[in-house]
Amino acid sequence: DTEVTQTPKHLVMGMTNKKSLKCEQHMGHRAMYWYKQKAKKPPELMFVYSYEKLSINESVPSRFSPECPNSSLLNLHLHALQPEDSALYLCASSFRLAGVYEQYFGPGTRLTVT
Amino acid sequence: AQTVTQSQPEMSVQEAETVTLSCTYDTSESDYYLFWYKQPPSRQMILVIRQEAYKQQNATENRFSVNFQKAAKSFSLKISDSQLGDAAMYFCAYAMRQGAQKLVFGQGTRLTINP
Repeated sequence: DTEVTQTPKHLVMGMTNKKSLKCEQHMGHRAMYWYKQKAKKPPELMFVYSYEKLSINESVPSRFSPECPNSSLLNLHLHALQPEDSALYLCASSFRLAGVYEQYFGPGTRLTVT
Repeated sequence: AQTVTQSQPEMSVQEAETVTLSCTYDTSESDYYLFWYKQPPSRQMILVIRQEAYKQQNATENRFSVNFQKAAKSFSLKISDSQLGDAAMYFCAYAMRQGAQKLVFGQGTRLTINP
């Protein structure tokens, strides 16, 4: 199983809503990543977890709150988002954080903030 | 800071022909990794090929091969016998060898395959 799954596929939320994105992998990977991708742009790293601990926060606004409850699951909690936060949110995982380990990407959640 | 540049926003090729996508990068590090990722219209990004900077031999994966020129900081991707399924956005990416694997992506090249 070399799959990273993400739910939901699409999400529309208002600026006052609270929602969560979910990412799951069962490959035994201990590094998990959140990326934000705007249309026709490359992914931008947001957060990285290694062994369920937050290792990297790329100065992301606090309205995005990541959580890694266990080694297979990664959540991104959303609150009071802005329309400019509309994007494709990609989750990825790799065997370990350091080294030439392939990052496996999920299909993404298309988020629209109204 | 490391940067990755893909100077070809779009390219097209006839099916069964060969196409080369360009990538240049800038780094002061001597040891690093380079990658080509493919993102088809269905959006799931997959790794096409990777190169470790200390290896002089160019990486090859079936129809995909790279031309790695370390001194010139160039890392081009050659796709031979292009197939319709190769149509996608291709991202060149860089990561330092030491520490966390933070990928620095280029802006991408959209490849179209003409039947």
